[in-house]
Amino acid sequence: AQKVTQAQTEISVVEKEDVTLDCVYETRDTTYYLFWYKQPPSGELVFLIRRNSFDEQNEISGRYSWNFQKSTSSFNFTITASQVVDSAVYFCALSDHAYLTQGGSEKLVFGKGTKLTVNP
Amino acid sequence: DAGVIQSPRHEVTEMGQEVTLRCKPISGHDYLFWYRQTMMRGLELLIYFNNNVPIDDSGMPEDRFSAKMPNASFSTLKIQPSEPRDSAVYFCASSFEGEGSYEQYFGPGTRLTVT
Repeated sequence: AQKVTQAQTEISVVEKEDVTLDCVYETRDTTYYLFWYKQPPSGELVFLIRRNSFDEQNEISGRYSWNFQKSTSSFNFTITASQVVDSAVYFCALSDHAYLTQGGSEKLVFGKGTKLTVNP
Repeated sequence: DAGVIQSPRHEVTEMGQEVTLRCKPISGHDYLFWYRQTMMRGLELLIYFNNNVPIDDSGMPEDRFSAKMPNASFSTLKIQPSEPRDSAVYFCASSFEGEGSYEQYFGPGTRLTVT
């Protein structure tokens, strides 16, 4: 069964600090996709990144970076020089293998989320 | 282009009443998902459609829940009769089967309160 664990329920930092959100996943499949979504206080879910299981290169997008390590089944997310606007709940998600053969969209299994508060 | 549209944004109803949540996916998207978010269970997929056909409804909690997608631009999630434990935020999301594009675009959600 697919499972995503975000062990950090809540994190509080002061602005300009770096912060890493952990994500550990479980799957028996060799082909899968990992995602991060952001849910700001307004409530909508915003897509941040998708990563397939064959691409272990780290990715950087502005102040955001992602570290994918298959050896430890982790897909961690780091925010550098955090800002108050980064305050949100962040979700890690894993695609369900059963639907990959259909192409396109996957059924997503979400972690419970990490609530990040960035204080001024 | 407009994003996923959901209505109503907030719904308060009494136990036993029928509740209908509505979703308009992004034009051109051929997948539509219904999720439920609660503090206890987090984000759960209830059902999803591909080209208006339900593909997997294993997440639907019980027979009181039903979902339809009569055409590519509209879907409903109905709860009849509603119960207090159905109180949650219900999200609709859509995506399309395109090369390298697996992002699910979420609507703003409907916050349902059943008293």
